[in-house]
Amino acid sequence: NAGVTQTPKFRVLKTGQSMTLLCAQDMNHEYMYWYRQDPGMGLRLIHYSVGEGTTAKGEVPDGYNVSRLKKQNFLLGLESAAPSQTSVYFCASSDRGDEQYFGPGTRLTVT
Amino acid sequence: ILNVEQSPQSLHVQEGDSTNFTCSFPSSNFYALHWYRWETAKSPEALFVMTLNGDEKKKGRISATLNTKEGYSYLYIKGSQPEDSATYLCAPGNTDSWGKLQFGAGTQVVVTP
Repeated sequence: NAGVTQTPKFRVLKTGQSMTLLCAQDMNHEYMYWYRQDPGMGLRLIHYSVGEGTTAKGEVPDGYNVSRLKKQNFLLGLESAAPSQTSVYFCASSDRGDEQYFGPGTRLTVT
Repeated sequence: ILNVEQSPQSLHVQEGDSTNFTCSFPSSNFYALHWYRWETAKSPEALFVMTLNGDEKKKGRISATLNTKEGYSYLYIKGSQPEDSATYLCAPGNTDSWGKLQFGAGTQVVVTP
């Protein structure tokens, strides 16, 4: 069981570039989440999904898009990266709102 | 967005001492309160998921209580050890947004030998 995996682990982007972060889970969880962690701000929810084909906005959705085409995968896209999106991104999954299992994180720097 | 407050923001504890800290949250439309432990350079890990008023949960030297009527939870660490050093996050869930948690900013605990 790999649990929750995230790809890539690190990335440096230039302002205006686009990228997709991939989250995969092998626990057959219904719910998946994308968070960002910034110093002094804790974990803030970007988008989440309560099932395959569904997505919903979290606390800080602007500048991000998501897709959940397969139950095990949750993709986070940045269409035009900005320095304000420099952060550590965590994906998590849960079984219908039970405890969340977190991935190892992706450190993104936008210059 | 729920108003979730954790206090204190940080605390330093001597090895062997016990400590506790608080999470407060809106009591209306509550359905669950999660506690997570987050060590530096790692990912958050779940400690407890609590749903019922008066719930008490325990894992080793760490325990938690829940008061849903007044909207608070306490986390206790008995006989703190250096490996307990971490940030402890609480996250309530609200029936207005099922499945979505609102994380507090956390209490950073540093245990010194």
